[in-house]
Amino acid sequence: DTAVSQTPKYLVTQMGNDKSIKCEQNLGHDTMYWYKQDSKKFLKIMFSYNNKELIINETVPNRFSPKSPDKAHLNLHINSLELGDSAVYFCASSQRGQIAEAFFGQGTRLTVV
Amino acid sequence: DAKTTQPNSMESNEEEPVHLPCNHSTISGTDYIHWYRQLPSQGPEYVIHGLTSNVNNRMASLAIAEDRKSSTLILHRATLRDAAVYYCILRRNNDMRFGAGTRLTVKP
Repeated sequence: DTAVSQTPKYLVTQMGNDKSIKCEQNLGHDTMYWYKQDSKKFLKIMFSYNNKELIINETVPNRFSPKSPDKAHLNLHINSLELGDSAVYFCASSQRGQIAEAFFGQGTRLTVV
Repeated sequence: DAKTTQPNSMESNEEEPVHLPCNHSTISGTDYIHWYRQLPSQGPEYVIHGLTSNVNNRMASLAIAEDRKSSTLILHRATLRDAAVYYCILRRNNDMRFGAGTRLTVKP
């Protein structure tokens, strides 16, 4: 049973398209995250949700919109894709608080052509 | 922004201990020190965390300086499967920001 699952694993799309990446966790966690890992391998936090409420919203373009329909899901919708959006996107979840261990998905490799 | 400083890379021989250092001089009293690692083509995975006391688990040990401004992740016997990027993170509430990490190479 996969704890944090992301779909799709690979996504190749053209500039200007709109796409979504889905994330689901079956751990009963309250908090979910989206991270972006670029070609230089830096892992940058994008968003964090706690109980469906947005608590961290880093400086990312408005084209990126997270949606949390329930505690177990945090989807990432991207409008008007640009070449610079090409990266690996990781979803993660944890219990609330600073002692909690976070679990990461396997990542979605997005390539914009 | 990440508040931690780690060497870019380190090398180790297989079966030998590895000490991975991390400086976090701006740590606040409520920040927990977490370590994660990222194996090639995988998402990060939790290794260990601590607040003030040294910690041990099945994967590693964490030694925390008395002033908490630095810590060291200790792998007691490195294996080839330990080759990864190791990240030291200061976790405050739900905020979890990664730095550049240390790329560990393990030589047979």
